[in-house]
Amino acid sequence: GAVVSQHPSWVICKSGTSVKIECRSLDFQATTMFWYRQFPKQSLMLMATSNEGSKATYEQGVEKDKFLINHASLTLSTLTVTSAHPEDSSFYICSASPGTGGANGYTFGSGTRLTVV
Amino acid sequence: EDQVTQSPEALRLQEGESSSLNCSYTVSGLRGLFWYRQDPGKGPEFLFTLYSAGEEKEKERLKATLTKKESFLHITAPKPEDSATYLCAVGDTGRRALTFGSGTRLQVQP
Repeated sequence: GAVVSQHPSWVICKSGTSVKIECRSLDFQATTMFWYRQFPKQSLMLMATSNEGSKATYEQGVEKDKFLINHASLTLSTLTVTSAHPEDSSFYICSASPGTGGANGYTFGSGTRLTVV
Repeated sequence: EDQVTQSPEALRLQEGESSSLNCSYTVSGLRGLFWYRQDPGKGPEFLFTLYSAGEEKEKERLKATLTKKESFLHITAPKPEDSATYLCAVGDTGRRALTFGSGTRLQVQP
């Protein structure tokens, strides 16, 4: 089945530094990937849609200069949290689908727990 | 704007005690209704996709059903390993990303 690998699974960084999170589709090509953010006991909130070879589409209220997304190949999308602050601490999850998200839904990565100290 | 509401927020069951989780939705054009299971600190795991009212799908102790306004996830004779958060999401024909509900945290006690 479709597998999405996300790395790292957790990271702790100092306030003001940048952190990069990778999302890879291991056995399929993904022209589109999605980045979500999840706070404790809350649902997944879409941050942006990552499009291979073009600019990402950000949801309203998400700072594009703070959350940089690069989708340079059909199997890799990266999310960089720039100048991280404690309020950026959260669980970040990526997802992708080998097709149009139909019968097999969207496959999710295992998530990245970011803690900014 | 697509909306997904799940209830109850949390549910505690005894092992073997069957129950149902509810997902109410509004969407301009339904591309699919998705159910996921999420364990703590992990990404969501795909369970089912339902496409049209009247459709049902089963997997082990889980059965998902769909009407024009809501979906139910029925859990028959649950076991402690069924404890997790169950997420409902809708896909809109005009949008590729899914819209998620807030989830139901299920705890099954032995």
